[in-house]
Amino acid sequence: AQTVTQSQPEMSVQEAETVTLSCTYDTSESDYYLFWYKQPPSRQMILVIRQEAYKQQNATENRFSVNFQKAAKSFSLKISDSQLGDAAMYFCAHAGYGNKLVFGAGTILRVKS
Amino acid sequence: EPEVTQTPSHQVTQMGQEVILRCVPISNHLYFYWYRQILGQKVEFLVSFYNNEISEKSEIFDDQFSVERPDGSNFTLKIRSTKLEDSAMYFCASSETGLAAGEQFFGPGTRLTVL
Repeated sequence: AQTVTQSQPEMSVQEAETVTLSCTYDTSESDYYLFWYKQPPSRQMILVIRQEAYKQQNATENRFSVNFQKAAKSFSLKISDSQLGDAAMYFCAHAGYGNKLVFGAGTILRVKS
Repeated sequence: EPEVTQTPSHQVTQMGQEVILRCVPISNHLYFYWYRQILGQKVEFLVSFYNNEISEKSEIFDDQFSVERPDGSNFTLKIRSTKLEDSAMYFCASSETGLAAGEQFFGPGTRLTVL
């Protein structure tokens, strides 16, 4: 079974600074994807970024980037130039065969002005 | 931009009553999913559905739950006899493929409150 662990229940960052959210996972599958989802107070789930396990190059999407360490089964999210609108709950997730998403417990990100 | 829609946004029901949560997936998507999120907890997979059949279901998805695609557009989740612990946010999602590469698009959720 796949498991996803987010060890930081809550993180804070000053506006315009950088923050890194941690995620580790365990899987028996050889081909899988990893995701970061953002859930603002509206509770809508929004895909932030995704990484295919086969790709060594870390994914980036504008101010969001990941540090994917496959051997360590680590998948952290870096948010650069943090903005007030980044404040939300962030979930790390794994999808393998069957495309079932397995989520971590989430990290609440607070952005201070 | 196409999106997944869900109705109602909030459903309040009495314990023991049946509820049907409705979803309209993105029109060219073939794979459908239900997830739930109890307040303050993580999002949990309930069931996946393809070609009018359940592909996979979790331990949560017991005999009280059923899913159906009654027509070409709707995808429903029925809870036969609701319990207090069914109170949660229920998210529908759809994807074009059933592979891990297929991005799942989520609806805005239905908040179910069981009294």
